[in-house]
Order: sequence, then C-alpha cells, then structure tokens
Amino acid sequence: NAGVTQTPKFQVLKTGQSMTLQCAQDMNHEYMSWYRQDPGMGLRLIHYSVGAGITDQGEVPNGYNVSRSTTEDFPLRLLSAAPSQTSVYFCASSSRLAGYETYEQYFGPGTRLTVT
Amino acid sequence: KNEVEQSPQNLTAQEGEFITINCSYSVGISALHWLQQHPGGGIVSLFMLSSGKKKHGRLIATINIQEKHSSLHITASHPRDSAVYICAVLNTGTASKLTFGTGTRLQVTL
Repeated sequence: NAGVTQTPKFQVLKTGQSMTLQCAQDMNHEYMSWYRQDPGMGLRLIHYSVGAGITDQGEVPNGYNVSRSTTEDFPLRLLSAAPSQTSVYFCASSSRLAGYETYEQYFGPGTRLTVT
Repeated sequence: KNEVEQSPQNLTAQEGEFITINCSYSVGISALHWLQQHPGGGIVSLFMLSSGKKKHGRLIATINIQEKHSSLHITASHPRDSAVYICAVLNTGTASKLTFGTGTRLQVTL
C-alpha cells in the first residue's frame, strides 16, 4: 500500500491563480481531511469528508473547495490564491478501528505552497 | 484559550536523558493521538490512547481522562528523536475531526 499520497510536494503561485492539490489513499478509508500548518499554530482543519459524495467545512474553509467523487481521492482546490494561503498542507485519512470508537490517522507527506 | 495545550514549547536535552512532554485538553474526547514530525517531513502517528498507558520501544504515552491530561515520555533519548511532537484530540461525537496542539520542538544533542 502507498498509504496517503499528495501531489505536488512544492508549488509557487501568483496571487489570483487557481490550482488543485491532489490527495489519494489506497486503504479504503471512509474519512479524509485537509489541514494547513502555519508557524506557531497547530494544524487547522480546512475541509473533511466522511465518505464519497459527502463533504463538510472545517475550521478555516474560506478560499478552498473540495469534492469527493470516489473513496480514494480528495482534491483541494484553491479558487483564487492569496498570500495568506501560504502554508504547508496535509491530507489525512482514517478509518474506524474494528471494535473501537476511535480512528487511526494516516497523514500524507505534505504540500508546501507559497503564494507571491 | 486553546482547547489543546502542550508544554514545553521547546526542549533541549542531552543524549540519554529522560524526556517528558505534556498535553492538557479542555474538551471531552474519545481518543488522544501523539504524532511525530521530523524537519521537512511528514507526520507519523506514534500512539493513539483512550485510557491508561501504551509503550513502544523507548516511547511511553499515558493518559488521565479525569484530569484531561496526557504525557509522552522518551527514555534514553537519542539525537534521532529530535523532532516536533504533536498532541491531537478526537472530540467526542465527531467522526474524525482532530484538534491539535501547537507542538513541542525537541532537540537532543550528543
């Protein structure tokens, strides 16, 4: 299993440009999430999905869109990039552990995005 | 006040020292995660706890649900343990939404 993969690893955008960060997992996990990590702050939830066709907003959703057409893929779209979106983005997936009310978390390697 | 507080923010230790990182939280949780992030690297889950204590090699994690507190201990620390350690809680009633602490940056020197 490849686990959780993210592309690209690095990206530089100009203000106003749009792009899509890709995330895929091959573990058949129902839950997928996007987080951003900024210096001095904990990871913050952008959007999440509890299954194909179902998405919801997290703590900091403005400026981002998501969709979940398949179980495997959960792309994050930046509609019109702004310097405030300069950050490291992590995708994560999880699945409820059999017999437990808890969820094992798997993180992708991250995408470092700079908006100039 | 953040829902998840970690201390210390930064920690420097000499090789071989016993290290403790603390995490306090203010919400009801169904589980607590300890995560490790190496410089420039991804995030790896070390432990997931809902009660008691877990041990993996030189790492030990404990949780006290009544006091809303967890600790991560590293015995016989080594320079390869240098990383950021992050506490994250899974709030009760949420499917898979984590709330993160800001992390503890650990540097272990020879």
